[in-house]
Amino acid sequence: SAVISQKPSRDICQRGTSLTIQCQVDSQVTMMFWYRQQPGQSLTLIATANQGSEATYESGFVIDKFPISRPNLTFSTLTVSNMSPEDSSIYLCSVGGTGFSGNTIYFGEGSWLTVV
Amino acid sequence: KQEVTQIPAALSVPEGENLVLNCSFTDSAIYNLQWFRQDPGKGLTSLLLIQSSQREQTSGRLNASLDKSSGRSTLYIAASQPGDSATYLCAVQEKTYKYIFGTGTRLKVLA
Repeated sequence: SAVISQKPSRDICQRGTSLTIQCQVDSQVTMMFWYRQQPGQSLTLIATANQGSEATYESGFVIDKFPISRPNLTFSTLTVSNMSPEDSSIYLCSVGGTGFSGNTIYFGEGSWLTVV
Repeated sequence: KQEVTQIPAALSVPEGENLVLNCSFTDSAIYNLQWFRQDPGKGLTSLLLIQSSQREQTSGRLNASLDKSSGRSTLYIAASQPGDSATYLCAVQEKTYKYIFGTGTRLKVLA
């Protein structure tokens, strides 16, 4: 299994500001993903973080709003830009790939953002 | 477009009951299906993963089945305990490691 650390775990942010969430894994992983879970909703994939290249975004999500970095195989960041109250969500990092059994994916504890 | 639905949305049962959570998906072309547990204020914990070629998986008091042709999966929890109280999510894998999540079932087991 993988140990995934996310920072910050919680934050209250002012409207119009940006916040960067970090995801650190204790081993090298092929795939890293960022999900959003809005209040009372299920998880929605934002993007796949690609090591050494631009992230692959899902429909409805754009790089200007959610820039992602992945400088190596154990670390990624997600920035939520120009935040509005609608961005209040849990943001979850997940990993999968070589070394993990049977395509299992693992999740971090999440970063709980409240935009006021 | 793949859609994953879970029924019921919420469930409250007395301790000791056996229960079944349902998950349905619209596109049977999946690689696998995974059941997760989410506790309040926490991330997701993987419970069981069923490959597309498998029919079921078991872990302790949990048993998950998969009928790919009909687009259905069930999670069976035997002898439920208050510690089982959580939200249970099913997710199907479409492309490499991309998962589509269901709407979740909020379970409360009463002592």
